Amino acid sequence: LAKTTQPISMDSYEGQEVNITCSHNNIATNDYITWYQQFPSQGPRFIIQGYKTKVTNEVASLFIPADRKSSTLSLPRVSLSDTAVYYCLVGPSDNYGQNFVFGPGTRLSVLP
Amino acid sequence: NAGVTQTPKFQVLKTGQSMTLQCAQDMNHNSMYWYRQDPGMGLRLIYYSASEGTTDKGEVPNGYNVSRLNKREFSLRLESAAPSQTSVYFCASSEAPEGSNQPQHFGDGTRLSIL
Repeated sequence: LAKTTQPISMDSYEGQEVNITCSHNNIATNDYITWYQQFPSQGPRFIIQGYKTKVTNEVASLFIPADRKSSTLSLPRVSLSDTAVYYCLVGPSDNYGQNFVFGPGTRLSVLP
Repeated sequence: NAGVTQTPKFQVLKTGQSMTLQCAQDMNHNSMYWYRQDPGMGLRLIYYSASEGTTDKGEVPNGYNVSRLNKREFSLRLESAAPSQTSVYFCASSEAPEGSNQPQHFGDGTRLSIL
């Protein structure tokens, strides 16, 4: 299983773009990269998933360089409501999600 | 659309008591999971069920049992609760047809305290 490393915490201000980078040096060929967001007292919520290059949805963008050894979650113009813990997960495409490991994540604090 | 529903939301037990946590999903998902989350930590997988009729151990299965009652429901049982099992328990589901990697959908958790 690919181990991931993320910053423990980050601070930002409202209206700024936030980039959270995740390192996964031993990512396998069939691994996907998935990001989740967790608010206090709630379960994690899927944000975005990608395999290579760039993926964008209405919430975020995910940038994956050619070597796929890292990935960056980009949140445009954050607001106070984006304060949460963000988890980066890497796992193979041929499983049912049982091997995903949720590490401690990155605690993002958005300040006014 | 309720998604993943967990009951109860809160529970306090005494050491040695038994309890079953309930989870139901209405998304017709094949796979279901039980995690625990301790303060300041990530989630750890207890058990999962890849499809109806099957269950498998995750990272931390000791002290727990599960039942996949039907496609919708997946329950977690503590036979003899211990203080070390004080945690927040999350149930999740994913579509996960064989050969794919589908995002998981989580419930809002059951906060369990064991005295």
